[in-house]
Amino acid sequence: GQQVMQIPQYQHVQEGEDFTTYCNSSTTLSNIQWYKQRPGGHPVFLIQLVKSGEVKKQKRLTFQFGEAKKNSSLHITATQTTDVGTYFCAGINDYKLSFGAGTTVTVRA
Amino acid sequence: DVKVTQSSRYLVKRTGEKVFLECVQDMDHENMFWYRQDPGLGLRLIYFSYDVKMKEKGDIPEGYSVSREKKERFSLILESASTNQTSMYLCASSLQTGGAGGYTFGSGTRLTVV
Repeated sequence: GQQVMQIPQYQHVQEGEDFTTYCNSSTTLSNIQWYKQRPGGHPVFLIQLVKSGEVKKQKRLTFQFGEAKKNSSLHITATQTTDVGTYFCAGINDYKLSFGAGTTVTVRA
Repeated sequence: DVKVTQSSRYLVKRTGEKVFLECVQDMDHENMFWYRQDPGLGLRLIYFSYDVKMKEKGDIPEGYSVSREKKERFSLILESASTNQTSMYLCASSLQTGGAGGYTFGSGTRLTVV
């Protein structure tokens, strides 16, 4: 079955720095979604990418879908303490959403 | 706002008990899902449903069953709870088939089986 892998598992970032988290699928995805889960909370939908090579921005967050539609990335610029949490990517294949294990982000003030 | 409500935030049950986890959504979504979340493993799909009285197995259905008698309610049943079912259980719903357009999750039920 489809597997969605995320790296790194943990990201410790100095406040103000940039970082990127990556998502790779073993199969071609019809689309990819990103979610954020704050500590003690539940996953919240951030964005969906559908087209090959698509890039979308939400303020300091930039999401990219690979040309082959098998990988994606989330880049955060000027990290803030509000960015703390776990970021999940999820790929739709066969009408089901499969989640990666997530990247847990901590921020040093 | 779409709301997905899970009946219990925390639950402690004994091994061998039958456990019901309830989930209700208020936006008339056709699609509902049950996941469990464990550290380092992400979210794993247990069961899902695209319509009333319809159910499909996810990736880890063993030891679980589901019921969807009404569109807004999707119940997860642990027939005989075991300690390896201690986990965070998340219910989700979506407007579009397969979840395109995003899932809305409930707040989760943290189940401990002792």
